[in-house]
Amino acid sequence: AQTVTQSQPEMSVQEAETVTLSCTYDTSENNYYLFWYKQPPSRQMILVIRQEAYKQQNATENRFSVNFQKAAKSFSLKISDSQLGDTAMYFCAFMGIQGAQKLVFGQGTRLTINP
Amino acid sequence: DAGVIQSPRHEVTEMGQEVTLRCKPISGHNSLFWYRQTMMRGLELLIYFNNNVPIDDSGMPEDRFSAKMPNASFSTLKIQPSEPRDSAVYFCASRPGQGLAGDNEQFFGPGTRLTVL
Repeated sequence: AQTVTQSQPEMSVQEAETVTLSCTYDTSENNYYLFWYKQPPSRQMILVIRQEAYKQQNATENRFSVNFQKAAKSFSLKISDSQLGDTAMYFCAFMGIQGAQKLVFGQGTRLTINP
Repeated sequence: DAGVIQSPRHEVTEMGQEVTLRCKPISGHNSLFWYRQTMMRGLELLIYFNNNVPIDDSGMPEDRFSAKMPNASFSTLKIQPSEPRDSAVYFCASRPGQGLAGDNEQFFGPGTRLTVL
């Protein structure tokens, strides 16, 4: 079974700083998807960025980028020029290509951006 | 599109009562997922439907939980009888069919916060 681990329960940075959230996962599959979801106080789950395992190039979405290390099974999220609106819970998630294709989530990292 | 719609947004009930949570997936999506979020266990999949058929219900905690998808535009998650430990946020998510644009992304509803007293 796949597992996803986020080792940082909480993080806090100043506005405009860069912050990196860590995520590691375990799987025996060779092809899969990885995601970062943001959950603000409204509870809505918002997709931030996705990475396809067969693509070597790291995904980027504006201020958000990932460092995907397939051999190390590591998938970190970097937020550049952090903004107050980035304050939220961030969840790393794995989805296999085979079978049910369900999302397996990490425990989350609570990120606070301070003014 | 209105996105995934869930109702109610909040539900407070007493132990032993029946609770029904509702979900309307995005039109055209043929996969539907029910997740539960708690402080202790985080986000976990309860059940997954594909083309209205339950495919994986291994996450359903016990017989008190049941889920149905009578048609492509509606699903329910029922808890009977409810217990305080069922208190959680329940999310519904839908996904396009494989081969269609966005088929690797699940779109989440706003969630239902359930409190069982």
